[in-house]
Amino acid sequence: NAGVTQTPKFQVLKTGQSMTLQCAQDMNHNSMYWYRQDPGMGLRLIYYSASEGTTDKGEVPNGYNVSRLNKREFSLRLESAAPSQTSVYFCASSELGQAKNIQYFGAGTRLSVL
Amino acid sequence: DQQVKQNSPSLSVQEGRISILNCDYTNSMFDYFLWYKKYPAEGPTFLISISSIKDKNEDGRFTVFLNKSAKHLSLHIVPSQPGDSAVYFCAAREKSSGDKLTFGTGTRLAVRP
Repeated sequence: NAGVTQTPKFQVLKTGQSMTLQCAQDMNHNSMYWYRQDPGMGLRLIYYSASEGTTDKGEVPNGYNVSRLNKREFSLRLESAAPSQTSVYFCASSELGQAKNIQYFGAGTRLSVL
Repeated sequence: DQQVKQNSPSLSVQEGRISILNCDYTNSMFDYFLWYKKYPAEGPTFLISISSIKDKNEDGRFTVFLNKSAKHLSLHIVPSQPGDSAVYFCAAREKSSGDKLTFGTGTRLAVRP
């Protein structure tokens, strides 16, 4: 049972390069999320998708774009990477309306922008 | 503006003793609270939750207490075990925001053998 799978696990970029972080979940969840985790900042929401075909900005969306490709997959794109985007990125999913509001997380992508 | 605050970045406890992790919030519209546990190089995993209509929820060694008037919740781990050493995040949901959660900054717990 894979749950939420993120690729790649590690990535090093040069300033100005672009890349896409991939996320897929096999729990048939409607909602998916992208977070970044920085020291002393906790988890901050970048974008989320309440259902297939919809996306909305979170707390820190600048410099990112997302695509909800289908119910399973939610990708995060950095069009022109900046050193400030060095972080650990987590994808999560949940079932909308579930009583406990539990979000299930992937193992993360550690991104360094030089 | 940090709506969910964990003011202690770290906590060290002796094995077998109680660990108490604290979380404060400012948004009175939060109606559901969760604790997540995170080991290095892994994603956060759900630990325990509590609805705003309750003041206590217990699951084995883990108990969460909610004081709505003080806008404060705490996670008690009794007895603490070395395997509990991790970063603990408090999170809160505002009902009108759907399933979005607001996370605190985390507390790193170290349980000494």
